[in-house]
Amino acid sequence: QQQVKQSPQSLIVQKGGISIINCAYENTAFDYFPWYQQFPGKGPALLIAIRPDVSEKKEGRFTISFNKSAKQFSLHIMDSQPGDSATYFCAARFMNTGFQKLVFGTGTRLLVSP
Amino acid sequence: DTGVSQNPRHKITKRGQNVTFRCDPISEHNRLYWYRQTLGQGPEFLTYFQNEAQLEKSRLLSDRFSAERPKGSFSTLEIQRTEQGDSAMYLCASSLEFYEQYFGPGTRLTVT
Repeated sequence: QQQVKQSPQSLIVQKGGISIINCAYENTAFDYFPWYQQFPGKGPALLIAIRPDVSEKKEGRFTISFNKSAKQFSLHIMDSQPGDSATYFCAARFMNTGFQKLVFGTGTRLLVSP
Repeated sequence: DTGVSQNPRHKITKRGQNVTFRCDPISEHNRLYWYRQTLGQGPEFLTYFQNEAQLEKSRLLSDRFSAERPKGSFSTLEIQRTEQGDSAMYLCASSLEFYEQYFGPGTRLTVT
């Protein structure tokens, strides 16, 4: 119940194309869903996040779509660029009295070909 | 402030040795988290501090692991009697109250 399932494991997209990464969860106690971008040898960097009372959030070329009833959410990267090549992690926040932690998916390695 | 910093960035140690990592959070952040990331996996939660109090520990954190955050500023994570299975990236994150968590660059530990 504390898991977040992420797919695909890897993705190759041509420059200018749309990259789509999907995540699913079971625990309805999760209340906040961020996406992180990680380059080799670096820590994860917060990219965009959404709360479950919103169905879509867009920031520049990055959009999160959220389906609360299906317990699924996805990241869309429009006009993908070679500089977007990185590993992307979805996450879900579990919150309890005085405590929060993030539960991460297993990651998607994105390669944008020139 | 330039974000969360971690030292050292890389640590190679022999099995059985003790190692200590340091995390300096973003200055105004009162909450600090340690995560562990193994190759090809997402980060996994280890432990959490609110100011200087350690309020939550994962079952992943065996008795050989100890973390402190004296005075509610920087934090240290110590691993005693390291094992090869401890080889991983150790990530620190901080947040202001329950807002977004920002991660440091991590310390990559290799146990030989």
